Amino acid sequence: DTAVSQTPKYLVTQMGNDKSIKCEQNLGHDTMYWYKQDSKKFLKIMFSYNNKELIINETVPNRFSPKSPDKAHLNLHINSLELGDSAVYFCASSQTHGPSGNTIYFGEGSWLTVV
Amino acid sequence: AQSVAQPEDQVNVAEGNPLTVKCTYSVSGNPYLFWYVQYPNRGLQFLLKYITGDNLVKGSYGFEAEFNKSQTSFHLKKPSALVSDSALYFCAVRDSGDSGYALNFGKGTSLLVTP
Repeated sequence: DTAVSQTPKYLVTQMGNDKSIKCEQNLGHDTMYWYKQDSKKFLKIMFSYNNKELIINETVPNRFSPKSPDKAHLNLHINSLELGDSAVYFCASSQTHGPSGNTIYFGEGSWLTVV
Repeated sequence: AQSVAQPEDQVNVAEGNPLTVKCTYSVSGNPYLFWYVQYPNRGLQFLLKYITGDNLVKGSYGFEAEFNKSQTSFHLKKPSALVSDSALYFCAVRDSGDSGYALNFGKGTSLLVTP
């Protein structure tokens, strides 16, 4: 019973292509996130959604567009892929949005390689 | 923004010895602090968190962490290391409202436990 699942796990694609990564959580959480882990393993928040509404949009190129059809899903679409987009993308979720100790649970990651 | 720092890139310890992975924090207000572990090619797994109360927090796999307000530290500890503990460890802090309360991560510390 995977709590936060994302697909695909591995994705190799050419520059200029458009790709999507899907994420689903079965924890009943209200808040979902996308994080990016770069080649130095540094983790940075990209987006946060609460009940399908965008809360955070960090300084991410507008080629990245999250979409939340319902609060259990937060997909990431990337247009015109560039070499620098190669990274691991993690989906995550937490019970609520706000200043709390709610644990954030992560998916297994999607390894994106742009060639 | 709230932040954490992990001063060590790598920690080496012999199996059976105690281990410590260091983390210091910088927050305004009450800190919500977390430790996660990442095994190779895997997602982030939650280990433990400090919200309030007892300064010694116990978590998964025999790990514990000590919250020290005067030293603004939240070091991860284990009394007896296992080779299987070798992984990348991240300290994190719940950010403030202007960043949507997402987790801000340290740069990670690679733990190597040798037989």
